[in-house]
Amino acid sequence: SSELTQDPAMSVALGQTVRITCQGDSLRSHFASWYQLKPGQAPILVIYSETNRASGIPARFSGSSSGSTASLTITGAQAEDEADYFCNSRDTTGNHWVFGGGTKLTVL
Amino acid sequence: DVHVVESGGGLVQPGGSLRLSCAASGFSVTNNYMTWVRQAPGKGLEWVSVLYIGSRTFYAESVKGRFTVSRDRSTNTLYLEMKSLRVEDTAVYYCVRVPGTSDEFWGQGIQVTVSS
Repeated sequence: SSELTQDPAMSVALGQTVRITCQGDSLRSHFASWYQLKPGQAPILVIYSETNRASGIPARFSGSSSGSTASLTITGAQAEDEADYFCNSRDTTGNHWVFGGGTKLTVL
Repeated sequence: DVHVVESGGGLVQPGGSLRLSCAASGFSVTNNYMTWVRQAPGKGLEWVSVLYIGSRTFYAESVKGRFTVSRDRSTNTLYLEMKSLRVEDTAVYYCVRVPGTSDEFWGQGIQVTVSS
């Protein structure tokens, strides 16, 4: 399978915790990465290799995985975390890459 | 410092061609796998192609047979040759070094607009 599925939109109250998920068969054998995308800006790598925070990313961001689901958790969401979040991984062949459809996160 | 600069974008008519360049500095495009990713207006991210260290190439189904990725060791540049362009190829194109790793690096992006 070459698909990664994300919820299109989620919301979180300021200071609360939100978990954004990404489902796909390829995640059983390939690590996920997570990107933050804001209008007019290049994507920012948040999490790589499933659980590793990229350089400069606040500790409130964490990644995890179980079976065919990868998750990005923001613990204590801040206003500046409002953005689109995309997961990315290889497909089941391992040769192609695929992005999830993205989750638009609103911080209330 | 690692740096990449994309160029070659612009406005082209449907059916036309463009060649995008990704000039790298601070690392070798030959010794790193490189990908192209695009974002269409109002849309999400779409993986386009990958060029592995051993020269294997793979493409998204949406561009297969129309796009070709290559590199030039002498100029340390990654290329994306795009032919038979369609309106739906309109997007900002990014070259990305070793995605999914701690050494990942994105270019600033280059606009490609396919319109009559």
